[in-house]
Amino acid sequence: NAGVMQNPRHLVRRRGQEARLRCSPMKGHSHVYWYRQLPEEGLKFMVYLQKENIIDESGMPKERFSAEFPKEGPSILRIQQVVRGDSAAYFCASSPPELKETQYFGPGTRLLVL
Amino acid sequence: LAKTTQPISMDSYEGQEVNITCSHNNIATNDYITWYQQFPSQGPRFIIQGYKTKVTNEVASLFIPADRKSSTLSLPRVSLSDTAVYYCLAYNAGNMLTFGGGTRLMVKP
Repeated sequence: NAGVMQNPRHLVRRRGQEARLRCSPMKGHSHVYWYRQLPEEGLKFMVYLQKENIIDESGMPKERFSAEFPKEGPSILRIQQVVRGDSAAYFCASSPPELKETQYFGPGTRLLVL
Repeated sequence: LAKTTQPISMDSYEGQEVNITCSHNNIATNDYITWYQQFPSQGPRFIIQGYKTKVTNEVASLFIPADRKSSTLSLPRVSLSDTAVYYCLAYNAGNMLTFGGGTRLMVKP
């Protein structure tokens, strides 16, 4: 049973470009969470999604950031017009519906904005 | 909105017991408390989870008092490889998921 998959593992973008981060949850998990971690800092919750629904996006910046979890395919975190401050590790986690607190994390995508 | 708080860092020596306490004074009534371990450049890894009283597994113990406003992760006889950042996770009464800020544990020889 494969764990949570994230790709790419590393992503380099120039200021103003778009970044797309993908997350495939564990088999049987219908809940996905995205977190951002700045260097030497803790995990910051961004968004919580179920299939085709955004449940909680209270941690998402109001502009440039969006997330989706379509019926088919991975969850996507999209950052438009990236700035240097977006450089961070972005982690995805998934959980079964009945145990929201039991989250399994992927290896993360490290975004570097030049 | 109540926060989940934990000490920023702790130092210990090999073979000692380490206890890390997390405060979550507005925790939701029916939700679990979960602890994670994170090594540099890796995603957090599930360690232990509990609802109340005491839970023990092969890695750690988790102590949760009756009011559930805090929890203590106990690592018996730590080794150098336990050097990592430890996070607690809980839902607050507003059903918002909150990670603690993480406790950076340094185990020294």
